Amino acid sequence: NAGVTQTPKFQVLKTGQSMTLQCAQDMNHEYMSWYRQDPGMGLRLIHYSVGAGITDQGEVPNGYNVSRSTTEDFPLRLLSAAPSQTSVYFCASRSGQGSFNEQFFGPGTRLTVL
Amino acid sequence: AQKITQTQPGMFVQEKEAVTLDCTYDTSDPSYGLFWYKQPSSGEMIFLIYQGSYDQQNATEGRYSLNFQKARKSANLVISASQLGDSAMYFCAMSAMFSGGYNKLIFGAGTRLAVHP
Repeated sequence: NAGVTQTPKFQVLKTGQSMTLQCAQDMNHEYMSWYRQDPGMGLRLIHYSVGAGITDQGEVPNGYNVSRSTTEDFPLRLLSAAPSQTSVYFCASRSGQGSFNEQFFGPGTRLTVL
Repeated sequence: AQKITQTQPGMFVQEKEAVTLDCTYDTSDPSYGLFWYKQPSSGEMIFLIYQGSYDQQNATEGRYSLNFQKARKSANLVISASQLGDSAMYFCAMSAMFSGGYNKLIFGAGTRLAVHP
């Protein structure tokens, strides 16, 4: 199993550009999430999904869109990038309903918005 | 509101010694889970250990143990016999059943551990 994969690893955008961060998992996990990590801080939840077709907002959702058309994929879209979105983005997945199973994280995408 | 506090920005330990990383949490939810993750300099997030709020015994995973003191709302990570490869950032995190559910992890700011030979 590849686990949770993310592409690209690094990305530089100009203010106002749009892009999609890709996330895929091959563990058949129902739950997938996106977090961002800013310097000196822990991870903060952006959006999450409890299954195909179902998404919800996390702690810091503004400026980001998500969709979940398949169990495997959970892309994160930045519609109009801003310098405040410079961060490291982590995708995560977990299995199991009604339990506190750990989340498995992807390797991260380092995004810089100029 | 839920909150995780890690009061030690940085810690130093000699190789082969034990070290305790502090974590306190705040929640009014009776059912919650506490997690520790390790983030080495390469950047990935590695799950270490989990403790449930109803677990009677402290969790252990190899050299890692979680000192869970429910009344004090603390969930400290103990690493025994430190190794050079333990040098990393360590994050405490929590999710609560009725305060966001199992999928919402709230993270602390982290503690950077340096293991000296």
